[in-house]
Amino acid sequence: QVQMEQSGAEAKKPGASVKVSCKASGYTFIDFGISWVRQVPGRGLEWVGWISGYNGRTNYAQQFQDRVTLTKDTSTTTVYMELSSLRSDDTAIYYCARDSSLTDYPMRYFDYWSHGTLITVSS
Amino acid sequence: SYVLTQPPSVSVSPGQTASITCSGDKLGKTFPCWYQQKPGKSPELLICQNHERPSGIPERFSGSKSGNTATLTISETQAVDEADYYCQTWDNTNVVFGGGTKLTVL
Repeated sequence: QVQMEQSGAEAKKPGASVKVSCKASGYTFIDFGISWVRQVPGRGLEWVGWISGYNGRTNYAQQFQDRVTLTKDTSTTTVYMELSSLRSDDTAIYYCARDSSLTDYPMRYFDYWSHGTLITVSS
Repeated sequence: SYVLTQPPSVSVSPGQTASITCSGDKLGKTFPCWYQQKPGKSPELLICQNHERPSGIPERFSGSKSGNTATLTISETQAVDEADYYCQTWDNTNVVFGGGTKLTVL
């Protein structure tokens, strides 16, 4: 079965960087992309960016363009999200989700989600 | 940036039909999807326009679209359906979520 397993919670100080991993299993990694979505506690869902499992191409939401980097390791079917220059308003749960955009164009949906990683930014 | 607008809250009595709307300027040209999120849980894909429901999603959940407004309809609403619901679509390369609707089953 498809699983998206993330690394554990992190506590960071403002200005620091954080790198979260997401290991995908149960499907052919290169056939799908993976998107990252965050949720500030008590608020809605916000898309962060996407990486192709096929060729590593990335797209980032404009508001994160300068601070986020997505990478992948196909050999371990793991995707990484690094967020830099952390601020207190980056405190949120960060989810990775399998993204259908490579297989179901023009539809795009997220059919498998991780449990999420809580990143807390506080001085 | 592209915006999807949902009502913050919707209330429904058990056994009745709940409708949650999602509006956006370019929604008419896309295939919106809907997610359910219960407290402390990850979002779950419910349905997308013109696409079959994922395995395990009850037939009570259906989606439709008219012009620039998409609607999630939950028939015979049950207490277990109380949750937050989000619409989602994409424009060029960017993904957009609606602000979410809290469904209360009274």
